[in-house]
Amino acid sequence: DVKLVESGGGLVKLGGSLKLSCAASGFTFSSYYMSWVRQTPEKRLELVAAINSNGGSTYYPDTVKGRFTISRDNAKNTLYLQMSSLKSEDTALYYCARRELPYYFDYWGQGTTLTVSS
Amino acid sequence: QIVLTQSPAIMSASPGEKVTMTCSASSSVSYMHWYQQKSGTSPKRWIYDTSKLASGVPARFSGSGSGTSYSLTISSMEAEDAATYYCQQWSSNPMYTFGGGTKLEIK
Repeated sequence: DVKLVESGGGLVKLGGSLKLSCAASGFTFSSYYMSWVRQTPEKRLELVAAINSNGGSTYYPDTVKGRFTISRDNAKNTLYLQMSSLKSEDTALYYCARRELPYYFDYWGQGTTLTVSS
Repeated sequence: QIVLTQSPAIMSASPGEKVTMTCSASSSVSYMHWYQQKSGTSPKRWIYDTSKLASGVPARFSGSGSGTSYSLTISSMEAEDAATYYCQQWSSNPMYTFGGGTKLEIK
């Protein structure tokens, strides 16, 4: 069975940094595009980063561009999200999700929570 | 950028009632996807490529639409269908956007 397990969330001060991880199992990780999607306290969903199967291409929306970096280690079946210059509006539940065609997310992890406070 | 607007934001239905919720896109999109989320759990793929049901989704669900207007319909509401439903599309920029969700409650 496909399994995605996020970790690394926590409480961080404004301007701080944090790195999230997502351990994948049950499928050929290196064959899939992967993404991080966050859910705000208001329950809004927002994609914050996407990466292709070999890690050579990434995408970020303007809201996090320059502050977040997505990466992957296909040998370890692990996806990462390095976050820096954190703002209060980054407070959310962060999900790791597998992308399927035509461009939707077929599996989601259970999420890890980031709280940014002053 | 393409904005997805879901309506209504909250609705309730009695068991056996037909339910329809809509997702309106600010510009034409090629297909729409839907997710179901119950309290305390992660979103689940529910309907993809506008009208294809994900594995395990009951046949009482259906999806339809084209261009800027899409909908999710439940032919006969059941208690287990109470959840929040989100639509999602893909375009060039921003790549993926989600609607604000429709919360469906059982009467």
